[in-house]
Amino acid sequence: EFVLTQSPGTLSLSPGERATLSCRASQSIFGRFLAWYQKKPGQPPRLLIYGSSSRATGIPDRFSGSGSGIDFTLTISRLEPEDFAVYYCQQYGSSPPVTFGQGTKVEIK
Amino acid sequence: QVQLVQSGAELKKPGASVKISCTASGYTFNNFGVHWLRQAPGQSLEWMGWISPVNGKTKYSQMFQDKVTFSRDASAPTVYLELSRLTSEDTALYYCARNSLNIAAIPERFYFDYWGQGTQVTVSS
Repeated sequence: EFVLTQSPGTLSLSPGERATLSCRASQSIFGRFLAWYQKKPGQPPRLLIYGSSSRATGIPDRFSGSGSGIDFTLTISRLEPEDFAVYYCQQYGSSPPVTFGQGTKVEIK
Repeated sequence: QVQLVQSGAELKKPGASVKISCTASGYTFNNFGVHWLRQAPGQSLEWMGWISPVNGKTKYSQMFQDKVTFSRDASAPTVYLELSRLTSEDTALYYCARNSLNIAAIPERFYFDYWGQGTQVTVSS
């Protein structure tokens, strides 16, 4: 079974601080095919990053992604008030074709 | 602009079926696959499968293949999700989402750039 484990479960930070979110795969993800989404209550997910490090259209450059193999990271360089949300990683390089992590909540400290 | 607009919330009794719609606009419907995903209360996102708008070809997640049927009306342009034999475990928010990559991309890679607003399905007696 392919599993994505996100850590920490909750990240308590203040606006202006740096957020580092981790996504670890149970097996190597082919081709760095990993995406990140932001999810706010009452809204659908928003694509932030694809291909491990490419920002989606309209995504501010304070969001960056990195990683390969089994370890991937989403970094938010300076948290803005609108960045407090739940973040999900998703792999699309291996079988099954789509797997999501359980999410990391970034909350205001 | 690209939009996916889903039908409204549904309240169903156990054992019933429900059909949810997702109407696309702002792009060439035939160029991108449409996926269905769900989020149960307190849970993460789960991929249910996808449908090709061109020919109606479907691929279902093993977890949902006995539960769901996808269909499409290319003239609408709308895709549909039908859930059968509903139980309380089907209570969730259901999303349609557009595949980011053009349908001609080989091999198929599934990540999602535009999403519907979500349809709440509640199963309760």
